[in-house]
This record gives sequence, C-alpha cells and structure tokens, in this order.
Amino acid sequence: EPEVTQTPSHQVTQMGQEVILRCVPISNHLYFYWYRQILGQKVEFLVSFYNNEISEKSEIFDDQFSVERPDGSNFTLKIRSTKLEDSAMYFCASSDVYREAFFGQGTRLTVV
Amino acid sequence: DQQVKQNSPSLSVQEGRISILNCDYTNSMFDYFLWYKKYPAEGPTFLISISSIKDKNEDGRFTVFLNKSAKHLSLHIVPSQPGDSAVYFCAAILTGGGNKLTFGTGTQLKVEL
Repeated sequence: EPEVTQTPSHQVTQMGQEVILRCVPISNHLYFYWYRQILGQKVEFLVSFYNNEISEKSEIFDDQFSVERPDGSNFTLKIRSTKLEDSAMYFCASSDVYREAFFGQGTRLTVV
Repeated sequence: DQQVKQNSPSLSVQEGRISILNCDYTNSMFDYFLWYKKYPAEGPTFLISISSIKDKNEDGRFTVFLNKSAKHLSLHIVPSQPGDSAVYFCAAILTGGGNKLTFGTGTQLKVEL
C-alpha cells in the first residue's frame, strides 16, 4: 500500500539553526501539505502546495518557513532560524484532488 | 478561532459496546468532513469521510452521521474493540480552498475489556 514517508523521524537542533524536514508523498497525488502538532494541542495546518506553488498558507507559515519540491518525488519544509516554540511534530501529507489526505509518520523537531 | 470543536476530550467505553464521538463546526461553507485516528508518535490515519450532500456514510464498524442544520457530525464505532483506543480527530475541508484540513481538538477514546 502506498504511503507518505518522512525523514528524519527525530531532529534536535539548536535555536537559530536552519532545519530541513523531508517528505516523499504518494506518487500520483497532486496536493501536498505540511501540518504540525505542538505537544498536547491539535493538529494545525501550515501550508498546501499544488502545481509547484503554494496554494494556501496559515498565519503560522511566516517568512521563516519555506517549502520546495526539488524533484519529482521529494517535498521539503525548511525553517530558516528555529525558535524554541517551533518544537513540535511536523506531519507531511498528500492527497488527490478533493479526497482525503494521507499522513506520514511525522518528524519530531526539538529546538534546544 | 475554533471552527471545528470536539467538546469531549475523552471517552471510555466497554469492549463490544458502541462508541459515539461528536464534533461541531461553525463554518457553514465546509463541504467535506473526515475522521482520523491517531496513535501517539504516529501520523493521523484516515478512517472515514462524508460529503455535505449526504447525511450518512458507513464503512464496516464505522459510521459517520452529518447533520448540516445543526452543524454537527458524529462517528459511531460498533462494536468497539480495544485496538480502537486512540485519539480521534474530526476534520473539515472547504473544497476549492486548497483542500486544507481544519482539525478539531481530538477525543481520546479508551475501550476497556
């Protein structure tokens, strides 16, 4: 069964450092997303990506964040200068048009 | 701005009984609704969905009911099994708006033997 894969599973970084979270979406899907879940809180939308551009982003997704689809399979989330409050589980997801999104296992980002 | 709410943070049910998880939404423009199940340290797993043009969708032990006038949906699990113990999130989509999911806060379901 096709699945969304994310690497790394856990990333520890120092405050102010740049991190790149990587995702391989399901191959025939058209929409790609990043969500995050701060411990004990709900899953929050960050950004959606379609046709090689951002289709929607939340207020959380400020200038410190960027997304890229560098080739035909990978989808990355970059945080330029991490802050303590960026510590969270980050989930990548993908979907067909107007269908349910399938999530990866997540990357636990810890900023120290 | 909580557009999707799950007012019960937890629910405990005996094995074999029915579990009913509830969800309310405020944005009448939402037109597609989903339920996800989540185990700790894992990503959400899709369970079942319903379009706003329907009022019921069934898949095995899982049934989702939608009451548009009340802006309310519920997930019924019958019979409940210990493996169903997880956090359940409802989510809503406004199609044409990038297909982003707006999640509720989740309900921790515990199915006891």
